[in-house]
Amino acid sequence: TQLLEQSPQFLSIQEGENLTVYCNSSSVFSSLQWYRQEPGEGPVLLVTVVTGGEVKKLKRLTFQFGDARKDSSLHITAAQPGDTGLYLCAPVPVNDYKLSFGAGTTVTVRA
Amino acid sequence: GAGVSQSPRYKVAKRGQDVALRCDPISGHVSLFWYQQALGQGPEFLTYFQNEAQLDKSGLPSDRFFAERPEGSVSTLKIQRTQQEDSAVYLCASSLGLAKNIQYFGAGTRLSVL
Repeated sequence: TQLLEQSPQFLSIQEGENLTVYCNSSSVFSSLQWYRQEPGEGPVLLVTVVTGGEVKKLKRLTFQFGDARKDSSLHITAAQPGDTGLYLCAPVPVNDYKLSFGAGTTVTVRA
Repeated sequence: GAGVSQSPRYKVAKRGQDVALRCDPISGHVSLFWYQQALGQGPEFLTYFQNEAQLDKSGLPSDRFFAERPEGSVSTLKIQRTQQEDSAVYLCASSLGLAKNIQYFGAGTRLSVL
């Protein structure tokens, strides 16, 4: 089982500020998924990063995959209250089907 | 339906009671997963179905947990003799075709055992 570390555990910021959350492992990811889980809802897939060094943008969200494919980051520009939620990362299973999530980063954006 | 539907959304049980949690996957989705999410944690895998066959139940924490999907559509997760440590959100996810396809999650059932 690949151990995932997500940091920080909690993040509370004011609307309009920027934030970055991290997902790290001692093992190499084949590819990695980021999810957002809003309060009272299930996780929703945001993006899958596949190639080392890859950068993907989704509106105000920028996802980066480390060159060595052992780490990833999610940067949110000009955060809005709608960005509030639990941000989870999970490696895409290679010879398996079950998702193994990190503990997540709880982000709260205050209006 | 448009998405994965779970019921009930909230369940309060007295310790020792049996509970049944229902999952209606997206129509036509072959694969169905159950996950358990403790407070402040990411979801953890419980079990996996492909159609009506339960191919993996390695994540079920004890023999008090039982899941079924008799007709390859709706699934039920049953917990017998509930204990306080069973309190969690139980999430169901489904995916089209092969298990490695994108998983779509329901909103979950929040179980509180008193």
